[in-house]
Amino acid sequence: QQQVKQSPQSLIVQKGGISIINCAYENTAFDYFPWYQQFPGKGPALLIAIRPDVSEKKEGRFTISFNKSAKQFSLHIMDSQPGDSATYFCAASIISNTGKLIFGQGTTLQVKP
Amino acid sequence: DAGITQSPRHKVTETGTPVTLRCHQTENHRYMYWYRQDPGHGLRLIHYSYGVKDTDKGEVSDGYSVSRSKTEDFLLTLESATSSQTSVYFCAISGTGSSGNTIYFGEGSWLTVV
Repeated sequence: QQQVKQSPQSLIVQKGGISIINCAYENTAFDYFPWYQQFPGKGPALLIAIRPDVSEKKEGRFTISFNKSAKQFSLHIMDSQPGDSATYFCAASIISNTGKLIFGQGTTLQVKP
Repeated sequence: DAGITQSPRHKVTETGTPVTLRCHQTENHRYMYWYRQDPGHGLRLIHYSYGVKDTDKGEVSDGYSVSRSKTEDFLLTLESATSSQTSVYFCAISGTGSSGNTIYFGEGSWLTVV
């Protein structure tokens, strides 16, 4: 049972373009939605996160869009750079539930120069 | 970087042997987690701890056990390693366990079971 579904599995974008990764969740009790970035050989690192009381959160070139009624959220990377090439994971959790994260399957992003 | 050290970082072991992975933190965080990462599955929670000697199962706990005798150390044991347990294992920590606090991951332990 995959509670968080992520797409696409892989993504190739030209430098300067917009990268978009989508996630859908099933459990309406989820109330925290982070995105993690992982470089090869490293552990995942928190990139940006959102709570369901807002529809959008922006930090620099990274934006999360959240649609509570559709149970979907997405990561937008504006002006994508080769240094953004990494694997991105969406995740979800319930605040009162010891912080356990349920992850999506991951998206490998390649930004071509 | 969060003060998380995983050991060993790489290990090759034979089917049927026990294996223990260690996670050591210097942040005095209450919550510790073990995840495994496999292609097409993302990261899946194996076990977690919410205090010394307090542990609970995650979504893929079969074949694994954990122990936490000190705040700073969380051990993951594969009781009898199988090829399906070949994976990358990540330890993570969190200050309060609430989702509002960041969960920090270690660098990973690559385990190959032959």
